[in-house]
Amino acid sequence: DADVTQTPRNRITKTGKRIMLECSQTKGHDRMYWYRQDPGLGLRLIYYSFDVKDINKGEISDGYSVSRQAQAKFSLSLESAIPNQTALYFCATSDPGGDTQYFGPGTRLTVL
Amino acid sequence: GDSVTQMEGPVTLSEEAFLTINCTYTATGYPSLFWYVQYPGEGLQLLLKATKADDKGSNKGFEATYRKETTSFHLEKGSVQVSDSAVYFCALGNTGRRALTFGSGTRLQVQP
Repeated sequence: DADVTQTPRNRITKTGKRIMLECSQTKGHDRMYWYRQDPGLGLRLIYYSFDVKDINKGEISDGYSVSRQAQAKFSLSLESAIPNQTALYFCATSDPGGDTQYFGPGTRLTVL
Repeated sequence: GDSVTQMEGPVTLSEEAFLTINCTYTATGYPSLFWYVQYPGEGLQLLLKATKADDKGSNKGFEATYRKETTSFHLEKGSVQVSDSAVYFCALGNTGRRALTFGSGTRLQVQP
């Protein structure tokens, strides 16, 4: 079984809808991250969490929120989806050293 | 702040050709450097890493050497295969920083 799972894998929604993307990990890592990937832009950090009580904004957090329900679960919400949030979203975890990250398979989100 | 610059793609090669994907970085301190690979429809996987100057990371026939004097971490492979077709991301991690900093990715296409 995969160490980092994401649900759903694909989602199409409409402008204004609230969307939640979920991430679960079995690696036992404290650190979890949400990135978005856009063509030609690489990965950009949305939010990160170093433990259940430590959640921080990344470089592009506007329009997003997160919830760390447990060590193993980290959810990303789009409060009111807009078309320019159409992207591929990745969850990742890392060990305490924080350098090597382990990625989920991604969620492809389309906002119409 | 930290940044990573890598060559734009796509890079198209014939099978058994030599591969170089250039990566340069700007960072304070002594970052760790990484190459991640993303196969079609999948998340990112760590390909190799180097944690200090002059270290060479290697995996699956790929190599990269951490060159502090030129702030570079170029990816090389002596003989590429069709199965190497993927997007390659250079990244850096700074101890205590929040997350990895990624380059924009380079798509490699290997033709039979």
